[in-house]
Amino acid sequence: DTGVSQNPRHKITKRGQNVTFRCDPISEHNRLYWYRQTLGQGPEFLTYFQNEAQLEKSRLLSDRFSAERPKGSFSTLEIQRTEQGDSAMYLCASSLGVLAGNEQYFGPGTRLTVT
Amino acid sequence: AQSVTQLGSHVSVSEGALVLLRCNYSSSVPPYLFWYVQYPNQGLQLLLKYTSAATLVKGINGFEAEFKKSETSFHLTKPSAHMSDAAEYFCAVTQRETSYDKVIFGPGTSLSVIP
Repeated sequence: DTGVSQNPRHKITKRGQNVTFRCDPISEHNRLYWYRQTLGQGPEFLTYFQNEAQLEKSRLLSDRFSAERPKGSFSTLEIQRTEQGDSAMYLCASSLGVLAGNEQYFGPGTRLTVT
Repeated sequence: AQSVTQLGSHVSVSEGALVLLRCNYSSSVPPYLFWYVQYPNQGLQLLLKYTSAATLVKGINGFEAEFKKSETSFHLTKPSAHMSDAAEYFCAVTQRETSYDKVIFGPGTSLSVIP
């Protein structure tokens, strides 16, 4: 078990470009979450998967954002037509989640800078 | 709606002194509560969690927290600060008896340890 991994760790892109991030959760975890963290703030929930089903999306997740978890394993988060306001750390977490309250294990994050 | 407040965005303590980081929550139902630590450019690591067992919860690295329902608090303490404790600390709450464990994070407290 190598923990939750995220790639890339850093991404610099120009405004208007599309970007895609990948998250590989802990292998036996069926729940996967995406969060966004801006400087000086706590992580904000974006979306949540149980296996391959996307069960919850935050209002923060505009139409330019899409997340998938096609086989219930890794997940991707795509941002289309990036804006400077999208600059943030994007965190992925996973959990066993059979019962509410199971702790979430976080990856190191992908830091996005939109210029 | 659930929320978390952390009093003091920055706390400085001397090495060897008591660490006290404050967290208050609001929740309409009994919550699960967590403290996470984040080192620079890293993801979040779980320090400890409260899930309705003992109200005094012991975590890693010598940290502990006490759940006080009457005060809706879950303050984090450590008897003696170490230089390696310098980091960002996040209190978080999740609601039990939901079909998913969406976590609400506080804004964080940055801990500095002075030699």
